Amino acid sequence: GDSVTQMEGPVTLSEEAFLTINCTYTATGYPSLFWYVQYPGEGLQLLLKATKADDKGSNKGFEATYRKETTSFHLEKGSVQVSDSAVYFCALSARGGNKLVFGAGTILRVKS
Amino acid sequence: KAGVTQTPRYLIKTRGQQVTLSCSPISGHRSVSWYQQTPGQGLQFLFEYFSETQRNKGNFPGRFSGRQFSNSRSEMNVSTLELGDSALYLCASSPRGGADSTDTQYFGPGTRLTVL
Repeated sequence: GDSVTQMEGPVTLSEEAFLTINCTYTATGYPSLFWYVQYPGEGLQLLLKATKADDKGSNKGFEATYRKETTSFHLEKGSVQVSDSAVYFCALSARGGNKLVFGAGTILRVKS
Repeated sequence: KAGVTQTPRYLIKTRGQQVTLSCSPISGHRSVSWYQQTPGQGLQFLFEYFSETQRNKGNFPGRFSGRQFSNSRSEMNVSTLELGDSALYLCASSPRGGADSTDTQYFGPGTRLTVL
């Protein structure tokens, strides 16, 4: 079945450091790919998405490129802030319905 | 536009009881999906409703059920609660649902269910 694998955390960075969170997927067909973020005590917020190969999603300084050849959708940010501390989830949605398959989540901690 | 709302936000029940959770989607959204989030299993898909019909179902026992009303509001019910049902239950809505996987799902804040 479809699956998403994320790098394990927690990831601890200093403010203004470069962030990469790796995400790879297994799916039949051509899924859409998403990054969601969850702050403590809250639901999930969409961070960015890409719906076809080579698409780049971007939002709030975060970017991710849909790489079909490596089945990857790595999240990057050039300079993290303390306010970026949260749990980040990579997810896919395959054709045929609104069913998101999530990775395990990566905790990001940013120190000032 | 108001976001997805879920009620109640917190709930405490005992084993064997049943519970009903409610979700109001973003105005105009027709698809509602439910997810269970636990520390051990992560985020898992429960089911999706579109135009009052269940379109997709995850791998959960029959104790978990749901429905959608004509105004797109949705409820999920868990009967005969077990300790392992303690979780954050998240509802998400999307405009179209169904075959278009490019649809974005917008999540509510969740209902935290504790089973004692």
